Amino acid sequence: DAGITQSPRHKVTETGTPVTLRCHQTENHRYMYWYRQDPGHGLRLIHYSYGVKDTDKGEVSDGYSVSRSKTEDFLLTLESATSSQTSVYFCAISESKGFVFFGPGTRLTVL
Amino acid sequence: EDKVVQSPLSLVVHEGDTVTLNCSYEVTNFRSLLWYKQEKKAPTFLFMLTSSGIEKKSGRLSSILDKKELFSILNITATQTGDSAVYLCAVNMNSGGSNYKLTFGKGTLLTVNP
Repeated sequence: DAGITQSPRHKVTETGTPVTLRCHQTENHRYMYWYRQDPGHGLRLIHYSYGVKDTDKGEVSDGYSVSRSKTEDFLLTLESATSSQTSVYFCAISESKGFVFFGPGTRLTVL
Repeated sequence: EDKVVQSPLSLVVHEGDTVTLNCSYEVTNFRSLLWYKQEKKAPTFLFMLTSSGIEKKSGRLSSILDKKELFSILNITATQTGDSAVYLCAVNMNSGGSNYKLTFGKGTLLTVNP
């Protein structure tokens, strides 16, 4: 398995609460991604990073922000969680040959 | 709009059957197509295809890409109950550099009954 961990693995929170999900890699890959997976929609890209402090938006970025202060860590923040952000969140990493590997996922429930 | 369409959406077979899963795409600046298997956890990588007509194989699984007709198939022979999963197809587009953002299809749910 690619060296990717996510924390927490499960979280239940209330509407309006800030939430931060963490992705940590040990592969020293340059590219990191946050996806969400929802029934009927599949996996959709939220944000991605192409280096330390270099990030960009994906197709469903509204309501989310990210930060990458170190190569190994990529944080996803929901500033004020809403019920529509209840989802399973996957972090992914890729290297120069194009293989993309996924972390174990975080199941987030917003009540 | 870029899109990736998988068919069928679900499929039920018996152990030992052979199945073919389809993935068609309409994207700009195609770079590669990837297949993943997802059980009740994270997607696990199966294949990456970049060139037409070159079959990739791993055990009972194989896949091929047709860049002219814009589709790929994933074949599973002699299916086993452990093959039951959602199979995801994803396309990477060339947006410059080595960025590998993926656009996913909705997946095919395969159920293999004993």
